[in-house]
Amino acid sequence: ETGVTQSPTHLIKTRGQQVTLRCSSQSGHNTVSWYQQALGQGPQFIFQYYREEENGRGNFPPRFSGLQFPNYSSELNVNALELDDSALYLCASRDGGQQFFGPGTRLTVL
Amino acid sequence: KQEVTQIPAALSVPEGENLVLNCSFTDSAIYNLQWFRQDPGKGLTSLLLIQSSQREQTSGRLNASLDKSSGRSTLYIAASQPGDSATYLCAVKANQAGTALIFGKGTTLSVSS
Repeated sequence: ETGVTQSPTHLIKTRGQQVTLRCSSQSGHNTVSWYQQALGQGPQFIFQYYREEENGRGNFPPRFSGLQFPNYSSELNVNALELDDSALYLCASRDGGQQFFGPGTRLTVL
Repeated sequence: KQEVTQIPAALSVPEGENLVLNCSFTDSAIYNLQWFRQDPGKGLTSLLLIQSSQREQTSGRLNASLDKSSGRSTLYIAASQPGDSATYLCAVKANQAGTALIFGKGTTLSVSS
């Protein structure tokens, strides 16, 4: 049990729609990161927030955006969904050097 | 650009065997390396974290080593059990300011009873 929770567990959307995924980090973890994991691949870094500001981004287009709130929760928003966005989305909060991951949200885009 | 490779992609062993999973990375300027376990369709569970200044870390039946100069890490699992069946991922953190982890594709381990 990492103390990081995500909702929903599963989600089905159609191409072109928008989606919001949510994450609740451990209290005191000021940094949250989001990753996308396609089937059979390792997780790919999307972006990171530190004290409600984005301070790192991977190779993902601007239609992937996020928010972090003072209560250690955060959101990942994806606009104009594409079929290739189907993946497991993981959030992770950081305590020192160690990352703690949530259980993920499985997004299917039809 | 940092790249992480894990070999083998899949491994099947009988219960009780000792085994080694390999991870290599192209840029030795890492801050730390972390090994994770992932059960099918689930999130990641951190197993071991090795700082760049360390050579190895141990937790129970698991031992991870790090050779930064050669860009290699190994995860040793002693006396494997069916419950060890999962995908094992290694990830490197490239610098101190950024926290992005760069992952390999993982090794899927199957331990038969």
